[in-house]
Amino acid sequence: AQSVAQPEDQVNVAEGNPLTVKCTYSVSGNPYLFWYVQYPNRGLQFLLKYITGDNLVKGSYGFEAEFNKSQTSFHLKKPSALVSDSALYFCAVRDLILTGGGNKLTFGTGTQLKVEL
Amino acid sequence: EADIYQTPRYLVIGTGKKITLECSQTMGHDKMYWYQQDPGMELHLIHYSYGVNSTEKGDLSSESTVSRIRTEHFPLTLESARPSHTSQYLCASRSGRTEAFFGQGTRLTVV
Repeated sequence: AQSVAQPEDQVNVAEGNPLTVKCTYSVSGNPYLFWYVQYPNRGLQFLLKYITGDNLVKGSYGFEAEFNKSQTSFHLKKPSALVSDSALYFCAVRDLILTGGGNKLTFGTGTQLKVEL
Repeated sequence: EADIYQTPRYLVIGTGKKITLECSQTMGHDKMYWYQQDPGMELHLIHYSYGVNSTEKGDLSSESTVSRIRTEHFPLTLESARPSHTSQYLCASRSGRTEAFFGQGTRLTVV
């Protein structure tokens, strides 16, 4: 079975400081990893994904994420946080090997990011 | 902008009523999903479909039902709504190796 862990319910950071939102995963095969952001009363918006290739993936709004196979992690990062980045962030994984009923997207529990002035 | 639409955005109904939440996508995606989400909380997969006439229950047990008669349409129905069904419902679709695209969600309140 595949799973995703987001160990922090909330992350607080001052505007202008770097931010990191943590994510670790577990799959039986090779992972297909995603980050999504959700603003209040909205659906999820796609930020970035990792399939293969460079371990550092760049996405929307200046976000990036680093895939680390040995640590099974896919932490989301941004060099300089903005107040407007405050939102709920979800990490998700899908196993590239599994097909049919196993090929579902599994989400973490979400991390609330709060960026303050 | 993703071409996946959910209606209504907000719905307040009385206990015992039958409701259908609509989800449509114009991207030709074969896979579609329904998630249930309580405010500020994790998503739970309640139904999914891998194509026309294919529907499966998700990881969270739900009293709702779904149908997939057309590729673009994946409605979710509650035969008799109860206050415990109050939640946000998110629809998503994808195809091949693409990421999942989400609708704006339907916030359901059963009074």
